[in-house]
Amino acid sequence: GENVEQHPSTLSVQEGDSAVIKCTYSDSASNYFPWYKQELGKRPQLIIDIRSNVGEKKDQRIAVTLNKTAKHFSLHITETQPEDSAVYFCAALQGDNFNKFYFGSGTKLNVKP
Amino acid sequence: NAGVTQTPKFRILKIGQSMTLQCTQDMNHNYMYWYRQDPGMGLKLIYYSVGAGITDKGEVPNGYNVSRSTTEDFPLRLELAAPSQTSVYFCASRTGGWGEKLFFGSGTQLSVL
Repeated sequence: GENVEQHPSTLSVQEGDSAVIKCTYSDSASNYFPWYKQELGKRPQLIIDIRSNVGEKKDQRIAVTLNKTAKHFSLHITETQPEDSAVYFCAALQGDNFNKFYFGSGTKLNVKP
Repeated sequence: NAGVTQTPKFRILKIGQSMTLQCTQDMNHNYMYWYRQDPGMGLKLIYYSVGAGITDKGEVPNGYNVSRSTTEDFPLRLELAAPSQTSVYFCASRTGGWGEKLFFGSGTQLSVL
């Protein structure tokens, strides 16, 4: 199956700084890469996603980049705010019919005011 | 539109007991999933289903069973509960196809003592 690795496991930044979280995947057939934000005690919520035919996608302060050759993708958050503090998960969609999502181990982001 | 509904929200089991975690969705999604999330860890796929009557194993299926008799319902059965099954369980669904996002339920926190 697919193997998704995520780094770093924890990240602490000052409010207003940028944060970058990186993920690698093992199966070159994986073709869809979402990012989820999970606040304490809550369910994961999709914040941004990217398909394999696109190299970069941006939505206000968040962006995702994908390098298919190197099999890695990254989440970029600019002008971080305290409400960005949460655990972020990357995922890859894989399977014979692209029916299985595999998740990274998560990054706990702490934005200090 | 309630989305994905999971019951119960919390449960404590004794070793060797059995229980069923309920999951239902009202979005007419074909694909449904069960994930477990251990403390400080990512989401691991237990079982998934691509439609009524079709189920398949994920990364960590041992100790669990599922059924999918209707499009709406995807219960997860734990037989002979063990402490290693202490976790938060999330059910999720999506329409299927390329890039369709996962909708998560609110989770079930299970402790096996």
